[in-house]
Amino acid sequence: NAGVTQTPKFRVLKTGQSMTLLCAQDMNHEYMYWYRQDPGMGLRLIHYSVGEGTTAKGEVPDGYNVSRLKKQNFLLGLESAAPSQTSVYFCASSYLGTDTDTQYFGPGTRLTVL
Amino acid sequence: KNQVEQSPQSLIILEGKNCTLQCNYTVSPFSNLRWYKQDTGRGPVSLTIMTFSENTKSNGRYTATLDADTKQSSLHITASQLSDSASYICVVIAMDTGRRALTFGSGTRLQVQP
Repeated sequence: NAGVTQTPKFRVLKTGQSMTLLCAQDMNHEYMYWYRQDPGMGLRLIHYSVGEGTTAKGEVPDGYNVSRLKKQNFLLGLESAAPSQTSVYFCASSYLGTDTDTQYFGPGTRLTVL
Repeated sequence: KNQVEQSPQSLIILEGKNCTLQCNYTVSPFSNLRWYKQDTGRGPVSLTIMTFSENTKSNGRYTATLDADTKQSSLHITASQLSDSASYICVVIAMDTGRRALTFGSGTRLQVQP
């Protein structure tokens, strides 16, 4: 049981390039989330999904797109990367979206945009 | 706007000593509060969860307290170990019209020295 995995672990992009971050979970969780973590700030929610085929915007969705074609995978896309998107990106999943439900986090992807 | 403030930002203690981390929040409507431990280069892992009616919760050497009246929480670590070196993140969950919203603190970075 691998839990939540993220690919890649590190990536360097030039401004304007595009890329996709992959998140996979093997816990049969319905809910999946993408966060970004910046120095001195708490994690901020980018997008989330409440089930296969559904996505919704979080707190900071601009510049990102997501897709959930399969229940176990949640993809985060950057169409035209900007230096402001330099951050550590965390994926998380939870069985339900209830208030006491635990989110399980992946190890993170460190992205640098030059 | 929902906010979670943590103090101190960083802390250095000697192995075997105790320490207390603080979390103040202005989140409404409050549902529950979690403490997460985040090792360097890893995703956060849940330590404790407390609902409105709970004022203390233990997980091994970690004890969390909650004062819902003053909107304060603390995480006490007893007999610290080198493996306790990590960031500790306070997360407050609001539940409004069936939708869950998480507000993350920026964390306290704890370093335990031998």
